[in-house]
Amino acid sequence: EVRLVESGGGLVQPGGSLRLSCAASGFTFTTYWIHWVRQAPGKGLVWVSRINTDGSTTNYADSVKGRFTISRDTAKNTVYLQMNSLRAEDTAVYYCARVSTPSGMDVWGQGTTVTVSS
Amino acid sequence: ENVLTQSPDFQSVTPKEKVTITCRASQSIGSSLHWYQQKPDQSPKLLIKFASQSISGVPSRFSGSGSGTDFTLTISSLEAEDAAAYYCLQTSGLPWTFGQGTKVEIK
Repeated sequence: EVRLVESGGGLVQPGGSLRLSCAASGFTFTTYWIHWVRQAPGKGLVWVSRINTDGSTTNYADSVKGRFTISRDTAKNTVYLQMNSLRAEDTAVYYCARVSTPSGMDVWGQGTTVTVSS
Repeated sequence: ENVLTQSPDFQSVTPKEKVTITCRASQSIGSSLHWYQQKPDQSPKLLIKFASQSISGVPSRFSGSGSGTDFTLTISSLEAEDAAAYYCLQTSGLPWTFGQGTKVEIK
């Protein structure tokens, strides 16, 4: 079964850090880009970041650039999102999703919730 | 940034009715437009890729059309299980952007 499973969310104070993980299984991990998308409570979907198949290319939304870092560990079939200097507006459910040119963004994880509050 | 504007924001529809949701891009994106369905407390599900390509396992009542800046998602005959929020996504250029969403309610 093709799966993406996010973990690492939680409650953190403003200015704090969290590292999210996205564990992949059931498909050839090294042939897919992995993206992060977030959704604030009651709001729509917002693209956050992406990483290419070998980790050599990364991109970020302006709202997180300089604060978030995406990386991947091929041996563990896992992508990480290191989130520093967290703000209240980063509060959201964070989803990871796989992307390939022919398939688009076709498989999403179940999401992990990040709450930034004092 | 390429802004995607969906209309309507909300639609209340009777079962078996036809539903049409539009997505307009502020810049031309060719066919790099995808449609998602999201039910409460669930992850988004891909319905249509590249404007009009069907997805295995998605009911045939869902179809997409358009290119350039104007796109449409059509549900030919609404079923109760189709109550959800629907989003378009453009993948033509960074940052990838989503429409604001259209909530479909069953009357």
